[in-house]
Amino acid sequence: GQQLNQSPQSMFIQEGEDVSMNCTSSSIFNTWLWYKQDPGEGPVLLIALYKAGELTSNGRLTAQFGITRKDSFLNISASIPSDVGIYFCAGSTSGGGADGLTFGKGTHLIIQP
Amino acid sequence: EAGVAQSPRYKIIEKRQSVAFWCNPISGHATLYWYQQILGQGPKLLIQFQNNGVVDDSQLPKDRFSAERLKGVDSTLKIQPAKLEDSAVYLCASSSSVAGQYFGPGTRLLVL
Repeated sequence: GQQLNQSPQSMFIQEGEDVSMNCTSSSIFNTWLWYKQDPGEGPVLLIALYKAGELTSNGRLTAQFGITRKDSFLNISASIPSDVGIYFCAGSTSGGGADGLTFGKGTHLIIQP
Repeated sequence: EAGVAQSPRYKIIEKRQSVAFWCNPISGHATLYWYQQILGQGPKLLIQFQNNGVVDDSQLPKDRFSAERLKGVDSTLKIQPAKLEDSAVYLCASSSSVAGQYFGPGTRLLVL
């Protein structure tokens, strides 16, 4: 089946630092999404990307849909304590993301005081 | 706008017992999904409904798992009989065909 390789597995950073994480796949996806999950909660949608090469921002978050349609990255600028959590990339073979999603294993973001 | 509702939030059962989870999607969302999230992993799709019809159940262990969405709105997922490896978070999500999938808080199942 399809698999998404997400890296890094975990990140230990200082407050105020910028963060970068990425996701790669051996197969093509037509939609890429990035989610954040806090302990005891469901994933929350951060950014959705629908077009190869698309670069989209949501506040301090920026994500890009790779030209090959096999990768995506998420950047977080000037991290703050509430950014702590697990970030998941997810891909869909459908153009609108309506089909079931394939998820990566997540990147744990930890902010050191 | 109310989000995806799920109940119960937690459930502890013994192996071989049965259990059911309930989900109410965001109003107007025609597509509903059930995912299983094992500790340390990303969610894995179990079944997708479009209105009251099944679109994809290829990863649903049909010998013990069943799901229904009779009136095209809320849905139930059942496990019978449960095994130890079914311990996981069961997430429900809904979508309005574009703009991504929105998840509920999940039901945490522990099978002893």
